[in-house]
Amino acid sequence: EVVLTQSPATLSLSPGERATLSCRASQSVYSSLAWYQQKPGQAPRLLIYDSSNRATGIPARFSGSGSGTDFTLTISSLEPEDFAVYYCQQGSDWPSFGGGTKVEIK
Amino acid sequence: QLQLQESGSGLVEPSQTLSLTCAVSGGSISTGLYSWSWVRQPPGKGLEWIGYIYKSGSTYCKQSLRSRVTISVDSSKNQFSLRLSSVTAADTAVYYCARSGHSSFDYWGQGTLITVSS
Repeated sequence: EVVLTQSPATLSLSPGERATLSCRASQSVYSSLAWYQQKPGQAPRLLIYDSSNRATGIPARFSGSGSGTDFTLTISSLEPEDFAVYYCQQGSDWPSFGGGTKVEIK
Repeated sequence: QLQLQESGSGLVEPSQTLSLTCAVSGGSISTGLYSWSWVRQPPGKGLEWIGYIYKSGSTYCKQSLRSRVTISVDSSKNQFSLRLSSVTAADTAVYYCARSGHSSFDYWGQGTLITVSS
């Protein structure tokens, strides 16, 4: 099973700041990496698939990069609605998720 | 707009079988090269993929759950189902159904909380 490690566990930032979230895989997942946003009481929402492709309707301030074992989700300028928990997920092997990064208001 | 909706019993006794159904609307479960998944999330914890099924009926499940999981599809009703046997308190979670495409999950149901308790 591919293990995904997300860091940091919590990111404390202010609106307008840049957020950089990391996801590291225990083995290469090539570019088969997705990112999700989850707010309390809601289902996860797909943001990025295949490492760098924005899902339908996702604002351009969200971007993804990386390949192999190291991936990054960047939110260029945080909006109030972006404070949430973010998960990465790999689809190279049987699907697995990272433990999540909580982006909280500083 | 594709929509998925889970339904099933919210409370299951230990050692019994959890049964859930995901009704798909706004599109056909038989169209395209998608798979149809179950994902769960224990309260306050992260996401865990359980398994998925293709329209052909081929199923794939997480190895640690394989002996207890059955996933089936009913194309005539445009729905798919999950059965998880011999449940324990560790199976208490919000259960989501989702569509899989591009090796990711692009459409999700709202989730349903299943509590295992006597």
